[in-house]
Amino acid sequence: DAGITQSPRHKVTETGTPVTLRCHQTENHRYMYWYRQDPGHGLRLIHYSYGVKDTDKGEVSDGYSVSRSKTEDFLLTLESATSSQTSVYFCAARRDPSTDTQYFGPGTRLTVL
Amino acid sequence: DQQVKQNSPSLSVQEGRISILNCDYTNSMFDYFLWYKKYPAEGPTFLISISSIKDKNEDGRFTVFLNKSAKHLSLHIVPSQPGDSAVYFCAASARMTNFGNEKLTFGTGTRLTIIP
Repeated sequence: DAGITQSPRHKVTETGTPVTLRCHQTENHRYMYWYRQDPGHGLRLIHYSYGVKDTDKGEVSDGYSVSRSKTEDFLLTLESATSSQTSVYFCAARRDPSTDTQYFGPGTRLTVL
Repeated sequence: DQQVKQNSPSLSVQEGRISILNCDYTNSMFDYFLWYKKYPAEGPTFLISISSIKDKNEDGRFTVFLNKSAKHLSLHIVPSQPGDSAVYFCAASARMTNFGNEKLTFGTGTRLTIIP
């Protein structure tokens, strides 16, 4: 499982509130990713990081920001949550730089009311 | 624009038979392909991968076939077991184009149900 944990595992919040999801890894992976999973869309990349303080946007980055101040933690922030951001969020890390295989955390189910 | 497509949302297969899951892609720059399995309330787990220099890769009961001219890949599971019931995602990346910055593009998934 590449030593990836996510917190919280479940969260219910209200529209307009800020939310931060945390991804923590213990195996010194350089590359980390945030995805959201929605019915009919599969997994879509939100943001990714290729090193401490190095991040870039994915295909659905609007309304999200990320930060990576140390190798083990990758934070996803919804500055002002909207109902369209209700989803299951997965963090992933790439263990071996010679392959593209990513290993996923257990997910965070976020509900925005 | 869905660059990776899994056109069958669901598939039911009798236990012991072969399960065949299909995936099509449109981006000719994709050169590395992966299959993931996902159980409810868990993260996706890596199953098997294939590079575009090969047309087949086998790992136990799982075989992935790649047809580059048709831009099509398939996952064969033989024999199918009840524990194989899950959602299967195919994914692709363009390693040679995006070297050092590889990202995966996922399909929408196929729910496989193995009937005992």
